[in-house]
Amino acid sequence: NAGVTQTPKFQVLKTGQSMTLQCAQDMNHNSMYWYRQDPGMGLRLIYYSASEGTTDKGEVPNGYNVSRLNKREFSLRLESAAPSQTSVYFCASRRGAESNQPQHFGDGTRLSIL
Amino acid sequence: AQKVTQAQTEISVVEKEDVTLDCVYETRDTTYYLFWYKQPPSGELVFLIRRNSFDEQNEISGRYSWNFQKSTSSFNFTITASQVVDSAVYFCALSEWGSSNTGKLIFGQGTTLQVKP
Repeated sequence: NAGVTQTPKFQVLKTGQSMTLQCAQDMNHNSMYWYRQDPGMGLRLIYYSASEGTTDKGEVPNGYNVSRLNKREFSLRLESAAPSQTSVYFCASRRGAESNQPQHFGDGTRLSIL
Repeated sequence: AQKVTQAQTEISVVEKEDVTLDCVYETRDTTYYLFWYKQPPSGELVFLIRRNSFDEQNEISGRYSWNFQKSTSSFNFTITASQVVDSAVYFCALSEWGSSNTGKLIFGQGTTLQVKP
Protein backbone atom coordinates (compact mmCIF):
# COMPACT_ATOMS: atom_id res chain seq x y z
CA ASN A 1 0.00 0.00 0.00
CA ALA A 2 2.55 2.58 -1.18
CA GLY A 3 0.37 5.69 -1.59
CA VAL A 4 2.64 8.54 -2.75
CA THR A 5 6.27 7.62 -3.40
CA GLN A 6 9.02 10.20 -3.77
CA THR A 7 12.56 9.60 -4.95
CA PRO A 8 15.19 10.30 -3.90
CA LYS A 9 14.77 10.82 -0.16
CA PHE A 10 17.97 12.85 0.17
CA GLN A 11 20.14 14.70 -2.31
CA VAL A 12 23.03 17.13 -2.20
CA LEU A 13 23.71 19.29 -5.26
CA LYS A 14 26.19 21.93 -6.19
CA THR A 15 25.00 25.33 -7.33
CA GLY A 16 24.15 25.23 -11.02
CA GLN A 17 23.50 21.50 -11.23
CA SER A 18 20.19 20.19 -12.46
CA MET A 19 18.01 17.54 -10.96
CA THR A 20 14.59 15.93 -11.27
CA LEU A 21 12.55 14.89 -8.25
CA GLN A 22 10.24 12.01 -8.98
CA CYS A 23 6.77 11.41 -7.57
CA ALA A 24 4.37 8.55 -8.24
CA GLN A 25 1.01 7.67 -6.71
CA ASP A 26 -0.87 4.41 -6.93
CA MET A 27 -4.27 5.62 -5.71
CA ASN A 28 -5.63 6.53 -9.15
CA HIS A 29 -5.79 10.17 -8.07
CA ASN A 30 -6.38 12.86 -10.66
CA SER A 31 -4.68 15.83 -8.97
CA MET A 32 -1.06 16.12 -7.91
CA TYR A 33 0.94 18.85 -6.17
CA TRP A 34 4.49 19.87 -5.32
CA TYR A 35 5.23 21.84 -2.15
CA ARG A 36 8.36 23.02 -0.46
CA GLN A 37 8.72 23.26 3.31
CA ASP A 38 11.02 25.82 4.87
CA PRO A 39 11.47 26.60 8.59
CA GLY A 40 8.85 29.00 9.90
CA MET A 41 7.01 29.16 6.58
CA GLY A 42 4.90 26.05 6.50
CA LEU A 43 4.40 24.41 3.12
CA ARG A 44 4.19 26.51 -0.02
CA LEU A 45 2.81 25.32 -3.32
CA ILE A 46 5.28 25.26 -6.21
CA TYR A 47 3.25 23.70 -9.03
CA TYR A 48 0.19 21.57 -9.34
CA SER A 49 -1.61 19.41 -11.86
CA ALA A 50 -5.36 19.41 -11.41
CA SER A 51 -5.71 16.57 -13.92
CA GLU A 52 -3.58 14.60 -16.33
CA GLY A 53 -2.35 16.84 -19.12
CA THR A 54 -2.55 20.11 -17.18
CA THR A 55 -0.06 21.92 -14.98
CA ASP A 56 -0.22 25.32 -13.32
CA LYS A 57 1.99 27.55 -11.21
CA GLY A 58 1.54 27.79 -7.50
CA GLU A 59 2.83 30.37 -5.06
CA VAL A 60 6.59 29.89 -5.60
CA PRO A 61 7.23 28.51 -9.13
CA ASN A 62 10.39 30.42 -10.06
CA GLY A 63 13.36 28.17 -10.74
CA TYR A 64 11.24 25.04 -11.20
CA ASN A 65 9.53 23.14 -13.98
CA VAL A 66 7.15 20.20 -13.80
CA SER A 67 5.96 17.37 -16.00
CA ARG A 68 2.80 15.36 -15.55
CA LEU A 69 4.13 12.28 -17.30
CA ASN A 70 0.92 10.28 -16.93
CA LYS A 71 -1.82 9.94 -14.36
CA ARG A 72 0.51 8.34 -11.83
CA GLU A 73 3.65 10.45 -12.15
CA PHE A 74 4.43 14.11 -11.56
CA SER A 75 8.06 15.22 -11.63
CA LEU A 76 9.70 18.45 -10.45
CA ARG A 77 12.84 19.72 -12.17
CA LEU A 78 15.44 22.19 -10.99
CA GLU A 79 17.28 23.35 -14.11
CA SER A 80 20.04 25.29 -12.35
CA ALA A 81 19.98 24.71 -8.62
CA ALA A 82 20.53 27.65 -6.27
CA PRO A 83 21.21 27.64 -2.51
CA SER A 84 17.77 29.26 -1.96
CA GLN A 85 16.22 26.03 -3.21
CA THR A 86 17.59 24.10 -0.25
CA SER A 87 14.42 22.74 1.28
CA VAL A 88 12.27 19.71 1.94
CA TYR A 89 10.06 18.94 -1.04
CA PHE A 90 6.73 17.18 -0.71
CA CYS A 91 4.60 15.67 -3.41
CA ALA A 92 0.90 15.18 -2.75
CA SER A 93 -2.10 13.80 -4.56
CA ARG A 94 -5.84 13.83 -4.15
CA ARG A 95 -8.69 12.04 -5.82
CA GLY A 96 -9.90 15.09 -7.69
CA ALA A 97 -9.58 18.84 -7.54
CA GLU A 98 -12.57 19.02 -5.22
CA SER A 99 -11.50 21.13 -2.30
CA ASN A 100 -13.12 18.91 0.28
CA GLN A 101 -10.78 16.03 -0.37
CA PRO A 102 -7.65 15.67 1.78
CA GLN A 103 -4.33 15.56 0.05
CA HIS A 104 -2.12 12.53 0.63
CA PHE A 105 1.56 13.30 0.98
CA GLY A 106 4.76 11.48 0.19
CA ASP A 107 7.56 11.21 2.74
CA GLY A 108 9.48 14.15 1.29
CA THR A 109 12.83 14.76 -0.38
CA ARG A 110 15.51 16.64 1.58
CA LEU A 111 17.49 18.67 -0.90
CA SER A 112 20.65 20.63 -0.06
CA ILE A 113 22.27 22.98 -2.54
CA LEU A 114 25.88 23.89 -1.77
CA ALA B 1 -6.33 37.01 -0.01
CA GLN B 2 -6.25 33.64 1.64
CA LYS B 3 -4.09 33.31 4.70
CA VAL B 4 -3.66 30.92 7.60
CA THR B 5 -1.96 32.02 10.79
CA GLN B 6 -0.69 29.78 13.53
CA ALA B 7 0.65 32.28 16.00
CA GLN B 8 2.16 29.70 18.34
CA THR B 9 5.55 28.72 16.97
CA GLU B 10 6.44 26.27 19.72
CA ILE B 11 4.57 24.84 22.68
CA SER B 12 6.03 22.69 25.41
CA VAL B 13 3.87 20.76 27.87
CA VAL B 14 4.29 17.95 30.34
CA GLU B 15 2.61 14.64 29.63
CA LYS B 16 -1.08 14.46 30.59
CA GLU B 17 -1.56 18.19 30.25
CA ASP B 18 -4.21 19.47 27.84
CA VAL B 19 -2.98 21.69 25.02
CA THR B 20 -4.73 23.83 22.41
CA LEU B 21 -3.20 24.75 19.09
CA ASP B 22 -4.62 27.91 17.55
CA CYS B 23 -5.44 28.48 13.90
CA VAL B 24 -6.88 31.67 12.43
CA TYR B 25 -7.70 31.98 8.75
CA GLU B 26 -8.67 34.64 6.23
CA THR B 27 -10.72 34.06 3.11
CA ARG B 28 -13.25 35.93 1.00
CA ASP B 29 -15.08 32.78 -0.03
CA THR B 30 -18.21 31.62 1.70
CA THR B 31 -17.43 28.00 0.92
CA TYR B 32 -14.10 26.65 2.05
CA TYR B 33 -12.49 23.72 3.81
CA LEU B 34 -10.11 23.57 6.73
CA PHE B 35 -7.66 20.81 7.50
CA TRP B 36 -5.21 19.78 10.19
CA TYR B 37 -2.11 17.74 9.42
CA LYS B 38 0.45 16.24 11.79
CA GLN B 39 4.15 15.97 10.95
CA PRO B 40 5.93 13.66 13.43
CA PRO B 41 9.72 13.71 13.79
CA SER B 42 9.96 11.10 11.02
CA GLY B 43 8.86 13.83 8.62
CA GLU B 44 5.77 12.54 6.85
CA LEU B 45 2.52 14.51 6.81
CA VAL B 46 -0.50 12.80 8.26
CA PHE B 47 -4.03 14.01 7.61
CA LEU B 48 -6.04 14.46 10.82
CA ILE B 49 -9.32 16.18 10.03
CA ARG B 50 -11.32 18.09 7.41
CA ARG B 51 -14.09 20.59 8.15
CA ASN B 52 -16.27 22.53 5.70
CA SER B 53 -17.41 26.09 6.25
CA PHE B 54 -21.06 25.11 6.67
CA ASP B 55 -20.46 22.69 9.49
CA GLU B 56 -19.65 24.41 12.75
CA GLN B 57 -20.13 21.37 14.91
CA ASN B 58 -17.20 20.57 17.10
CA GLU B 59 -15.61 17.20 16.52
CA ILE B 60 -14.02 14.80 18.91
CA SER B 61 -11.86 11.82 18.03
CA GLY B 62 -10.42 10.12 21.05
CA ARG B 63 -8.11 12.59 22.77
CA TYR B 64 -8.34 15.02 19.86
CA SER B 65 -11.02 17.67 19.47
CA TRP B 66 -11.53 20.55 17.10
CA ASN B 67 -13.41 23.79 17.68
CA PHE B 68 -14.53 25.64 14.54
CA GLN B 69 -15.84 29.17 15.07
CA LYS B 70 -16.78 31.01 11.92
CA SER B 71 -17.45 34.24 13.82
CA THR B 72 -13.79 34.49 14.79
CA SER B 73 -12.39 32.66 11.73
CA SER B 74 -10.71 30.11 13.96
CA PHE B 75 -10.28 26.36 13.83
CA ASN B 76 -8.49 25.34 17.01
CA PHE B 77 -7.19 21.90 17.87
CA THR B 78 -7.10 20.53 21.41
CA ILE B 79 -5.24 17.47 22.61
CA THR B 80 -6.50 16.17 25.94
CA ALA B 81 -4.14 14.32 28.27
CA SER B 82 -1.19 14.78 25.94
CA GLN B 83 1.31 11.98 25.39
CA VAL B 84 4.92 11.94 24.27
CA VAL B 85 3.79 10.46 20.93
CA ASP B 86 1.86 13.66 20.29
CA SER B 87 5.17 15.51 19.87
CA ALA B 88 5.13 16.78 16.30
CA VAL B 89 4.64 19.80 14.10
CA TYR B 90 0.97 20.50 13.46
CA PHE B 91 -0.24 22.37 10.41
CA CYS B 92 -3.56 24.03 9.79
CA ALA B 93 -4.52 24.49 6.13
CA LEU B 94 -7.25 26.16 4.08
CA SER B 95 -8.72 25.19 0.72
CA GLU B 96 -11.19 27.42 -1.06
CA TRP B 97 -14.07 26.29 -3.20
CA GLY B 98 -13.55 28.87 -5.92
CA SER B 99 -14.19 28.94 -9.64
CA SER B 100 -10.77 27.52 -10.30
CA ASN B 101 -11.45 24.70 -7.91
CA THR B 102 -7.92 23.41 -8.03
CA GLY B 103 -7.83 22.04 -4.53
CA LYS B 104 -4.78 24.05 -3.57
CA LEU B 105 -3.94 24.14 0.12
CA ILE B 106 -2.76 27.24 1.95
CA PHE B 107 -0.79 26.20 5.01
CA GLY B 108 -0.10 27.98 8.26
CA GLN B 109 3.45 28.23 9.53
CA GLY B 110 3.04 25.24 11.79
CA THR B 111 3.18 24.79 15.56
CA THR B 112 5.84 22.57 17.07
CA LEU B 113 4.46 20.69 20.05
CA GLN B 114 6.85 19.07 22.49
CA VAL B 115 5.37 16.79 25.12
CA LYS B 116 7.81 15.99 27.89
CA PRO B 117 7.51 12.84 30.01
